[in-house]
Amino acid sequence: SQQGEEDPQALSIQEGENATMNCSYKTSINNLQWYRQNSGRGLVHLILIRSNEREKHSGRLRVTLDTSKKSSSLLITASRAADTASYFCATDDTGANSKLTFGKGITLSVRP
Amino acid sequence: NAGVTQTPKFQVLKTGQSMTLQCAQDMNHEYMSWYRQDPGMGLRLIHYSVGAGITDQGEVPNGYNVSRSTTEDFPLRLLSAAPSQTSVYFCASSYSPWSYNSPLHFGNGTRLTVT
Repeated sequence: SQQGEEDPQALSIQEGENATMNCSYKTSINNLQWYRQNSGRGLVHLILIRSNEREKHSGRLRVTLDTSKKSSSLLITASRAADTASYFCATDDTGANSKLTFGKGITLSVRP
Repeated sequence: NAGVTQTPKFQVLKTGQSMTLQCAQDMNHEYMSWYRQDPGMGLRLIHYSVGAGITDQGEVPNGYNVSRSTTEDFPLRLLSAAPSQTSVYFCASSYSPWSYNSPLHFGNGTRLTVT
């Protein structure tokens, strides 16, 4: 069953704007990861945040994790047309060894 | 370094036929897994392996078999294809059996249609 649920399901923004995507989950986790999927391709790992971390940065990406609210957000700053893709959060649940559970994804469209 | 390679890219089967989806990785990863991706459903784990000779079931294992005789290869077998198995299948691997230590590397998928 799905652990992470992303919000919104779809997001359309203008190039240069920031994009914020949210993920909520239900049970305790070891870590939470964000992946990107371009049309017709496999998923590509973006960033991993551990349960004892609150914020992490990687280039134009900023991820936050609030374990008390069981939620995470992915911020893409100064978006580009090339950021157009689907974004997935995935959780490594405590007690579910070796299983990474994905949400249904968010479709981001960045208009040039 | 090719990463994770999946073959074939596309496949059409008739109901009842069997086939094997191939997955190979050249990164010496211990952990390998198979997911299916359906519209509106996200990715669902079918089977996974934490090392050669070890496999286990994921969320949706029915109708699929796997084996792991080598570190590099993790084939997925459909024993008797059904239209409900129409999907895009992704193979993924990671360095550590415990995914919190390393992220998953995905292949580019196999698009399977069962008529």
